[in-house]
Amino acid sequence: DSGVTQTPKHLITATGQRVTLRCSPRSGDLSVYWYQQSLDQGLQFLIQYYNGEERAKGNILERFSAQQFPDLHSELNLSSLELGDSALYFCASSVGGPGTGANVLTFGAGSRLTVL
Amino acid sequence: KDQVFQPSTVASSEGAVVEIFCNHSVSNAYNFFWYLHFPGCAPRLLVKGSKPSQQGRYNMTYERFSSSLLILQVREADAAVYYCACQNYGGSQGNLIFGKGTKLSVKP
Repeated sequence: DSGVTQTPKHLITATGQRVTLRCSPRSGDLSVYWYQQSLDQGLQFLIQYYNGEERAKGNILERFSAQQFPDLHSELNLSSLELGDSALYFCASSVGGPGTGANVLTFGAGSRLTVL
Repeated sequence: KDQVFQPSTVASSEGAVVEIFCNHSVSNAYNFFWYLHFPGCAPRLLVKGSKPSQQGRYNMTYERFSSSLLILQVREADAAVYYCACQNYGGSQGNLIFGKGTKLSVKP
């Protein structure tokens, strides 16, 4: 157990729908990161929050949004879903924010989203 | 564009030393990270740093723009996907930029 908890583990939904993925970071970690892993693709960085504030943004679609709550858990909202959004979504957490030396990311086991 | 490159597959035999190579075009990157990923599990950090280092059977070589992960005495149970990542200081892609992963297969 990495200490990073993601729910749900699996989710099947239809095109046009909206889903929310949840992540609880490891105890003591202030940063949360979201990554998308599509078929034959690596881990694509989506967005990062540090202590409730957005700190870095990657290739995140406008249909996707995220937030980090005061208790430091984070949610990734995916709306107007398309078939191509089917992927494994990973959450990771770390103690520090951007620019922190050798900042180690601890990953959760991922949420597998299937859009039919 | 900031990218990390690694082979998609590597094959080895049990007991051998296997090398997985990685290089990058990431500006302001000084650290490499190597993660191990078994399907259905969380990716797990194996070794990291800005100099050659070793953690158990895992050795990491280091050059400014490239690194190799060497797995000593490889076993069938090591068959998994290995990700190389670079830490981008102050970039727009957060702290870590990942390669697409290398799938290691191990013959008995």
